[in-house]
Amino acid sequence: DSGVTQTPKHLITATGQRVTLRCSPRSGDLSVYWYQQSLDQGLQFLIQYYNGEERAKGNILERFSAQQFPDLHSELNLSSLELGDSALYFCASSVVASGGVTDTQYFGPGTRLTVL
Amino acid sequence: GQQVMQIPQYQHVQEGEDFTTYCNSSTTLSNIQWYKQRPGGHPVFLIQLVKSGEVKKQKRLTFQFGEAKKNSSLHITATQTTDVGTYFCAGPQAAGNKLTFGGGTRVLVKP
Repeated sequence: DSGVTQTPKHLITATGQRVTLRCSPRSGDLSVYWYQQSLDQGLQFLIQYYNGEERAKGNILERFSAQQFPDLHSELNLSSLELGDSALYFCASSVVASGGVTDTQYFGPGTRLTVL
Repeated sequence: GQQVMQIPQYQHVQEGEDFTTYCNSSTTLSNIQWYKQRPGGHPVFLIQLVKSGEVKKQKRLTFQFGEAKKNSSLHITATQTTDVGTYFCAGPQAAGNKLTFGGGTRVLVKP
């Protein structure tokens, strides 16, 4: 158990719909990252938040948005869903490291989104 | 932008045999991380290498960071069924601790 929680575990919806995925980071972690993993594919970085502010952006579609709240939990909003959005969505969290090392990222169990 | 490539994409290994998976970055990395994702699971951090030429061992797993800090390898000896999964390497980009993950090597073990 990484200490990162994600809800829901599974989500089945139809094309054109909008969904919200939720992530609670490990206690004390200020950074939250969102990744998309399509079937048997690698991890595509979507976006990072640090203490409520957007820190880095990856290949995130305009139909997708995210935010991090004052209690540090984060939500990823996916709208106008398409069949190709079906994937595993992982949230990860980290502390802020220093001294030349990069944060270790702790991944949640993921949300499996199926768009029909 | 930065690219991280891993080869092979798939690795079928007979139980008890050794194998190596390789990770190559298009840019010099300040450090490199390795993660393992079991089937149906989530990525789990294994190790971080920081120094040029660094070698670290975790039981049967040996991780190496290249001298030029552009490549890395993971060598597993005497493969066991518990080694099944996908191994990802990841390198940081300059800002925000964002990691670029390689495509992963999916390891399948034949008993």
